[in-house]
Amino acid sequence: AQKVTQAQTEISVVEKEDVTLDCVYETRDTTYYLFWYKQPPSGELVFLIRRNSFDEQNEISGRYSWNFQKSTSSFNFTITASQVVDSAVYFCALSGAYSGAGSYQLTFGKGTKLSVIP
Amino acid sequence: DTEVTQTPKHLVMGMTNKKSLKCEQHMGHRAMYWYKQKAKKPPELMFVYSYEKLSINESVPSRFSPECPNSSLLNLHLHALQPEDSALYLCASSQEGSGSTEAFFGQGTRLTVV
Repeated sequence: AQKVTQAQTEISVVEKEDVTLDCVYETRDTTYYLFWYKQPPSGELVFLIRRNSFDEQNEISGRYSWNFQKSTSSFNFTITASQVVDSAVYFCALSGAYSGAGSYQLTFGKGTKLSVIP
Repeated sequence: DTEVTQTPKHLVMGMTNKKSLKCEQHMGHRAMYWYKQKAKKPPELMFVYSYEKLSINESVPSRFSPECPNSSLLNLHLHALQPEDSALYLCASSQEGSGSTEAFFGQGTRLTVV
């Protein structure tokens, strides 16, 4: 069984502060994929990043960075110099390797609501 | 802008009504999904279509009936819903084939059953 834990239910930061969203996962698959999605109040889930289990390189995209550590089964997300537009619910998700139709089922964490205060 | 388009964005329906939710994507994806999301909860998978065939039904009540007329369209037919079915319904699509890829989601339909 797969499981994703986002222990932080809600986080509030003041604009320009850095913030890290935690994600811990459990899977028995040797090949798997990790994702982060952003859900603003409008409702759409916006894809942010995919990381393959065999690629532990950290990634930076503008103010966003991701730290993947297989040793601790964690895939944390850091926003540098947060902005009000970053306010949203952020979901970490996990899927197994391709094994046929419907294999891209996502197991979501419960989400972390980030509020950036001006 | 999202490349997965859902209509309508909002829907209010009575328990005896019949309505349909529509989803369209033009990314050439051959896997399409319906998710249901209650307030303050993560999305829950309902159905998966692969190459226009239903491949997964997560024990969804029969008052929800999915349909995939072609590779670009996905419908969800609603009939005799209950107030507890009120939720955000999200459509998503992804590539089909070896090598998992990310799913792209639409903006969702906010459904209220009265």
